[in-house]
Amino acid sequence: DAKTTQPPSMDCAEGRAANLPCNHSTISGNEYVYWYRQIHSQGPQYIIHGLKNNETNEMASLIITEDRKSSTLILPHATLRDTAVYYCIINNAGNMLTFGGGTRLMVKP
Amino acid sequence: DAGVIQSPRHEVTEMGQEVTLRCKPISGHDYLFWYRQTMMRGLELLIYFNNNVPIDDSGMPEDRFSAKMPNASFSNLKIQPSEPRDSAVYFCASSFLAQTGELFFGEGSRLTVL
Repeated sequence: DAKTTQPPSMDCAEGRAANLPCNHSTISGNEYVYWYRQIHSQGPQYIIHGLKNNETNEMASLIITEDRKSSTLILPHATLRDTAVYYCIINNAGNMLTFGGGTRLMVKP
Repeated sequence: DAGVIQSPRHEVTEMGQEVTLRCKPISGHDYLFWYRQTMMRGLELLIYFNNNVPIDDSGMPEDRFSAKMPNASFSNLKIQPSEPRDSAVYFCASSFLAQTGELFFGEGSRLTVL
């Protein structure tokens, strides 16, 4: 599976949009982009995934560049409860997800 | 649905003792995963099952670790004998084939080996 690069940490003001970037320049044509988050002391939680098109659900939006070498997870109105570690994962092997270091997002009042 | 259920939530034991961690996946899910999380190594996949059959155990660190899934509603992870370096949070997750990549994680079992 392709490797990902994420900033180790980011801050965001409460109520503002949080934009979390992920670089995956070696992604293959059949590999998906997945995002998970892990709130302190809890198990990871699935957020969203996509292949080529942008995706949106009740939690977030996923923007994938046309060349698929990078993506951005957008939390439109961040709350304090969104403080967590966010993992970007590239995968084509079905369910075998490999977690990297992720981005520690701190939402501040 | 109650989600993935793990027990115990916390376990403190002494080096050399046997440890058994348990997991009940979400009903109807046909994949089950065991992950381990430490500060140093992050989240590591230890083993996963499909329809109760172990598919890939290459992440199991040593022969001291074993995992079984006797039926669709139960799996356990055993460490015998336990060592201080096994201290970690162990997560179980399950998923359904039709939702590839969407894993549902339990709350984890925090193991401390003294």
